[in-house]
Amino acid sequence: EIVLTQSPATLSLSPGERATLSCRASQSVGRYLAWYQQKSGQAPRLLIYDASKRATGIPVRFSGSGSETDFTLTISSLEPEDFAVYYCQQRYNWPPYTFGQGTKLEIK
Amino acid sequence: EVQLLESGGGLVQPGGSLRLSCSASGFTFSSYAMSWVRQGPGKRLEWVSHIIGSGGRTHYADSVKGRFTISRDNSKNTLYLHMSNLTAEDTAVYYCAGGDYYDASGYYVGNWFDPWGPGTLVTVSS
Repeated sequence: EIVLTQSPATLSLSPGERATLSCRASQSVGRYLAWYQQKSGQAPRLLIYDASKRATGIPVRFSGSGSETDFTLTISSLEPEDFAVYYCQQRYNWPPYTFGQGTKLEIK
Repeated sequence: EVQLLESGGGLVQPGGSLRLSCSASGFTFSSYAMSWVRQGPGKRLEWVSHIIGSGGRTHYADSVKGRFTISRDNSKNTLYLHMSNLTAEDTAVYYCAGGDYYDASGYYVGNWFDPWGPGTLVTVSS
C-alpha cells in the first residue's frame, strides 16, 4: 500500500498570502495524484488531478506540481474561502486508493 | 445538476448490520464507476469500496473485505453499501463519490473522486 505523508499538519497564513502544501509518497505514483479541499462539515471537492490539472471550475490561484514521490499544492493568493483541510490522494497503485492525513490551512 | 445523496446511516450495535444508499441524479449513472469513502472522527479519508458502471467488478479495502458488499441498481440510479459485523472502528461519515472523472471537454481522465455526496453518519456503539 502506498502511504502519502502531508506537511505541514497545520499552516497558519493570512488572506492574500501564498500557501504551499506538500505531499510525499512512499513510492513513485507517477503523476497519478490528486488534491481535494474539505471545508468544515462538508464533503471533499476535487481541486487538482494528474498532479497539475485543475478540475472543472477551480480558480486559477490553485496549482499543482510534482511527480514520482514529491508533490506540491500552491494557492497563489489566499481568499477567505480557501481556509480548509486539504488532502492528497493517489490512484497509481490501487486497490487501495490512499489519502494523505491532511493539511489544515487556518487563518493567522 | 449533478447530485449524490446518501441515506441509511444511524446508530447500530457492535456486530450489527446496516445498508447505506446513494441516490444519483444529473448524469448517466450506469456509465460511471462509483466508490464509497469514509472518514472516522478526526481521521483521514479512507477509501472503502469501488464498483464499475455495469456492477460487474468490485474492489474492497482490506479493512472491510468480507464484511461489506457494494452493489448498484442502475435502473434506480442508486448505489448501495451493505455493512455487516460492524465494529467501533467502522464509525465514520460515509460518502459516496463518482469514480470516473471527465474533464471540461468530456475527455475521460481516470478514476478520480468527483462528485461527492454530503455523507451519512454511521455510529457503531452499544
